[in-house]
Amino acid sequence: QLQLVQSGPEVKKPGASVKVSCKASGYSFTGHYMHWVRQAPGQGLEWMGRVNPHTGVTNYAQKFKGRVTMTMDTSITTAYMELSRLRSDDTAVYYCARDKEWGGYPLDYWGQGTLVTVSS
Amino acid sequence: QSVLTQPPSVSGAPGQTVTISCTGSSSNIGAGYDVHWYQQPPGTAPKLLIYTNYDRPSGVPDRFSGSKSGTSASLAISGLQAEDEADYYCQSYDRNLSGSVFGGGTKLTVL
Repeated sequence: QLQLVQSGPEVKKPGASVKVSCKASGYSFTGHYMHWVRQAPGQGLEWMGRVNPHTGVTNYAQKFKGRVTMTMDTSITTAYMELSRLRSDDTAVYYCARDKEWGGYPLDYWGQGTLVTVSS
Repeated sequence: QSVLTQPPSVSGAPGQTVTISCTGSSSNIGAGYDVHWYQQPPGTAPKLLIYTNYDRPSGVPDRFSGSKSGTSASLAISGLQAEDEADYYCQSYDRNLSGSVFGGGTKLTVL
């Protein structure tokens, strides 16, 4: 069945970087953009950006431009999100999610989430 | 402050109908961009509930319905059940931000 399985929890110090992976299975990996959404503790959802699996072209939310890098390795059907220069307010659960239809924004399948804790 | 505004909480008794609003502006919902809705029970990943304003993915009961008018959209849940207790989020696209945006979320309590 269709699955997005993310990597495990991370603890990082301020200023460091984190790279979260998202292994996809059960569908045509190159047929859907991959999006990343985060959720700080007790807060709402925040869209971070998306990546085109064919071209690698990305669209990032303005807030994260310069700090985030989203990539996809089609050979192993895995997407990655790397966030640099971490701050304490980057502590959140990070989700990968695929678009329901090519290029659209409704997200129909989500990973289980990866908790990233930023603490000195 | 979210670009899309939702009430922080709503509540209703089993069997009742509740409505959750999502208010945007001329740069997102009012510009004609579609609205999508998600349900997130505690401790779980969000689930797509309504897409392109009023369509339901397969498996979503017809108790859930969406609508859109002007700069706002709404999610209605009829025949409330205890299992509906969750956080609900709206999502759209904002042309000023050149990206997707979510509402702040609404916590539904079934009394």
